[in-house]
Amino acid sequence: TQLLEQSPQFLSIQEGENLTVYCNSSSVFSSLQWYRQEPGEGPVLLVTVVTGGEVKKLKRLTFQFGDARKDSSLHITAAQPGDTGLYLCAGGRVEGGSEKLVFGKGTKLTVNP
Amino acid sequence: GAGVSQTPSNKVTEKGKYVELRCDPISGHTALYWYRQSLGQGPEFLIYFQGTGAADDSGLPNDRFFAVRPEGSVSTLKIQRTERGDSAVYLCASSTLAGVETQYFGPGTRLLVL
Repeated sequence: TQLLEQSPQFLSIQEGENLTVYCNSSSVFSSLQWYRQEPGEGPVLLVTVVTGGEVKKLKRLTFQFGDARKDSSLHITAAQPGDTGLYLCAGGRVEGGSEKLVFGKGTKLTVNP
Repeated sequence: GAGVSQTPSNKVTEKGKYVELRCDPISGHTALYWYRQSLGQGPEFLIYFQGTGAADDSGLPNDRFFAVRPEGSVSTLKIQRTERGDSAVYLCASSTLAGVETQYFGPGTRLLVL
């Protein structure tokens, strides 16, 4: 059962364009994390959001957690080729005293020079 | 400092064989997680250790999969009687504590079962 749906699954854009990636669920999460994964490597954490409605900015990346803590978005302004990679969202669910991460399938972003 | 390391980086085996995958967490991290990432999918939780004990093994797909962490540091994921469907990237992550602490991922072991 895929609890987190990411869209789009694939995205190919030109350098300088803006884009938004979505992460949706019918479940409530204690936190929502965004990772970037490059080929042959493990995911690297970009940001964690924990409060409904929270917005965080990381240079050209803006992350938002939905008011109901069920969905999130990642917006990239003026994308650069170095932004190319697999973007994964992961919802945190506290079970048995620890937080278990549930990942979406990811959005594969390609930024063409 | 050193990150999470995993060995081997690649493993090719034949159906029915036994394999062991090793994870060296970041020094001092008490929590250790194993995930499996199939092609085109996000990582899927397998098992989590707090110290030496498996605190949550609910993600292990069946009894062919087993993991240990005898001294609370290095962990080994063991797969018996491998099947072609076990082919995936096996990721290990560690964190300072369980809960909402950041998980740091290793590069993974790419397992191919022929």
